[in-house]
Amino acid sequence: AQKVTQAQTEISVVEKEDVTLDCVYETRDTTYYLFWYKQPPSGELVFLIRRNSFDEQNEISGRYSWNFQKSTSSFNFTITASQVVDSAVYFCALSDPNTGGFKTIFGAGTRLFVKA
Amino acid sequence: DGGITQSPKYLFRKEGQNVTLSCEQNLNHDAMYWYRQDPGQGLRLIYYSQIVNDFQKGDIAEGYSVSREKKESFPLTVTSAQKNPTAFYLCASSIEAPVFLNQPQHFGDGTRLSIL
Repeated sequence: AQKVTQAQTEISVVEKEDVTLDCVYETRDTTYYLFWYKQPPSGELVFLIRRNSFDEQNEISGRYSWNFQKSTSSFNFTITASQVVDSAVYFCALSDPNTGGFKTIFGAGTRLFVKA
Repeated sequence: DGGITQSPKYLFRKEGQNVTLSCEQNLNHDAMYWYRQDPGQGLRLIYYSQIVNDFQKGDIAEGYSVSREKKESFPLTVTSAQKNPTAFYLCASSIEAPVFLNQPQHFGDGTRLSIL
């Protein structure tokens, strides 16, 4: 069965620090997709990135970067020079191909506090 | 602007009462979803609908019901059979299966349901 583990429940950093959010997944499928979402205090989830299992290239988008390693089943997310606006809950998620890609399995989330 | 509207933002239910959460989208998306969010547990899928007049159970469908009579609307009824309904409920939509999209799912702002 598919599973996503975000072992860090809460992380607190001071502004301008770098922070890495860990994500470990389990799946028996060879084709799958991984996602990261941000949930600010307003409640809605904001999509950050999608990665398929055949693309292990790391990705950088501004202050955000993602490290995908199939060998360790990890898809970690790093925020460089964190800002107060980065304070949110971050979810890692995995696609369930048995539903034609419609079902997404979410981790429990990591709450990030960035203090000024 | 296009988006997803959930109402009400806060809802209170009495014991033995059914309540309906509204979700409307004007994005012309075929697929819609309902998730439940509990503290420390991430998002769990309740129901999803790939197209009008069709829907499938997710992981925690017991005690809930849905309908999909119109493309833009996917209401969720929390029945009296759901013994622990207190949670944050999120509605989402997508053009098709999220794995095929660069913008997998759009989310609403959520409805917080509490028991009186």
